[in-house]
Amino acid sequence: KAGVTQTPRYLIKTRGQQVTLSCSPISGHRSVSWYQQTPGQGLQFLFEYFSETQRNKGNFPGRFSGRQFSNSRSEMNVSTLELGDSALYLCASSSILAGGVNEQFFGPGTRLTVL
Amino acid sequence: AQSVTQPDIHITVSEGASLELRCNYSYGATPYLFWYVQSPGQGLQLLLKYFSGDTLVQGIKGFEAEFKRSQSSFNLRKPSVHWSDAAEYFCAVGSNNNDMRFGAGTRLTVKP
Repeated sequence: KAGVTQTPRYLIKTRGQQVTLSCSPISGHRSVSWYQQTPGQGLQFLFEYFSETQRNKGNFPGRFSGRQFSNSRSEMNVSTLELGDSALYLCASSSILAGGVNEQFFGPGTRLTVL
Repeated sequence: AQSVTQPDIHITVSEGASLELRCNYSYGATPYLFWYVQSPGQGLQLLLKYFSGDTLVQGIKGFEAEFKRSQSSFNLRKPSVHWSDAAEYFCAVGSNNNDMRFGAGTRLTVKP
C-alpha cells in the first residue's frame, strides 16, 4: 500500500496570507489527524477527522481549520498567517485497532515558512 | 487526560554501545503505548507499540521496549547502536477516544 502523502512538501508565505495543505491517507484508512511540530512546542495535536466529521480538536485558534472529503483525503487551512505558524505540519492516517485506539501512520510533512 | 514525559532531551552514545531511552506516562486505565522515530525533515515512523500481553515488545530496526506498570514506564532499548539510528525519538500514549499524546522527544546523537 502507498503511504500517507502530503502536498506540498514546502511552502513559503507572508504574514496575513492563507494556506491550504493536503493529505491523502493510506487506502482504507478513514481517520486523519493533523499535528503541528515546532522546536519550541514539539508535536501538538490540531484536529482529527473521521468519515468527514471532526471528532477531536486541539487547543488552536479558529484560524486553523480542516475538512475531510468522502474519499478520506483531508485538507487543513490556516488563515491570516502569523510568523509563529512556521512549522512542520504532519498528517497521520489511522487504522482503528481493537479497543478503538488509533495506530497512526505519518506522512513526510509540509514545511511552512511564514515571512 | 493522558500525558507522556521523556526526561532526556538529548543523549549521545558511541556506535556499538547499548541505548536506553526513557519514557514515563500518565494514564488512568491500561495505556496504549508507542515509540516513533523521526529523521531530520521527515515524518514519524512507528518503531513498536504495546497494547496488552507480553510486557517486552519487539520492534523494527532491532529496537525493543518494556512496559512496567509499577513504574509507569515504557523505555526503549537497543543492544548495539548504529550510526543510522541518530534521529529524534518520540514516545506516545493513545486512548480509545482517538486522542494521542506525544512526549517532547529525545534527540539521539551517535559518536563514531
